[in-house]
Amino acid sequence: KQEVTQIPAALSVPEGENLVLNCSFTDSAIYNLQWFRQDPGKGLTSLLLIQSSQREQTSGRLNASLDKSSGRSTLYIAASQPGDSATYLCAVSAPPNFGNEKLTFGTGTRLTIIP
Amino acid sequence: KAGVTQTPRYLIKTRGQQVTLSCSPISGHRSVSWYQQTPGQGLQFLFEYFSETQRNKGNFPGRFSGRQFSNSRSEMNVSTLELGDSALYLCASSRTSDSYEQYFGPGTRLTVT
Repeated sequence: KQEVTQIPAALSVPEGENLVLNCSFTDSAIYNLQWFRQDPGKGLTSLLLIQSSQREQTSGRLNASLDKSSGRSTLYIAASQPGDSATYLCAVSAPPNFGNEKLTFGTGTRLTIIP
Repeated sequence: KAGVTQTPRYLIKTRGQQVTLSCSPISGHRSVSWYQQTPGQGLQFLFEYFSETQRNKGNFPGRFSGRQFSNSRSEMNVSTLELGDSALYLCASSRTSDSYEQYFGPGTRLTVT
C-alpha cells in the first residue's frame, strides 16, 4: 500500500527566505505527483502537477522536483511571503486502472511565514 | 467558469442519524471524487464516480455510499453516523476519470455529536 510522508509537519520562516518542503513515497510506481495548498477550513488548490516522466515543474516562485527512483519530491518556494502561509500537501496517483486509490495524500506541512 | 460547489458547507448531526452531502462539479467535468479529511487520518479517498458509475472505492465501510446523476452532480451518503465520522468532506472534479488534474470544492464540515 502506498504511503506518503511529509517532513517537517510544521515550519516557520521569516519573510523573504527561500524554503524547501519534502515529500516521500514508498511505491515508485506512480502516475504523477501533485502539490496542493490548503488554507484553514478551506478546500485544496492545486499548485503543481508533475508527470512521472518529468523531473520538475515551475510556476512563478514555486518549483517542484520529482525523483521517482528514490521516492522523493521537493517543493521549493522562493522569496517567501506571508500569503504563502498555509498547509502544503503532496499527493501521488497510481496509473489508471491500477489500484483503488485515486490520490494518496501526504500528512502535510503547515507553513507559517513570519512578517 | 464556476468552480466546484458543495452543499451544505456546515452540518451538525447526532450519532445514528444519516446525512447526504452534495457536490456540483465544474461544467464539463464528468468525474467526481470524494475525500474525507480528519486531523488523525489526514486526507483519505472515499470513492470516484464517472458517468454515473462508481469507478474506484477506498477502504471505508459500507455506511459510506454515493451516486452520480446524469448532469454529473454527485451525492454521498453516510448512514448510522458515528462520532468518528466528524470530518471535512471534500469533493473534486476532473474532466475524465483518467485525468488526475482535480479541482477541489471548499468542503462540507460535518460534526457528529
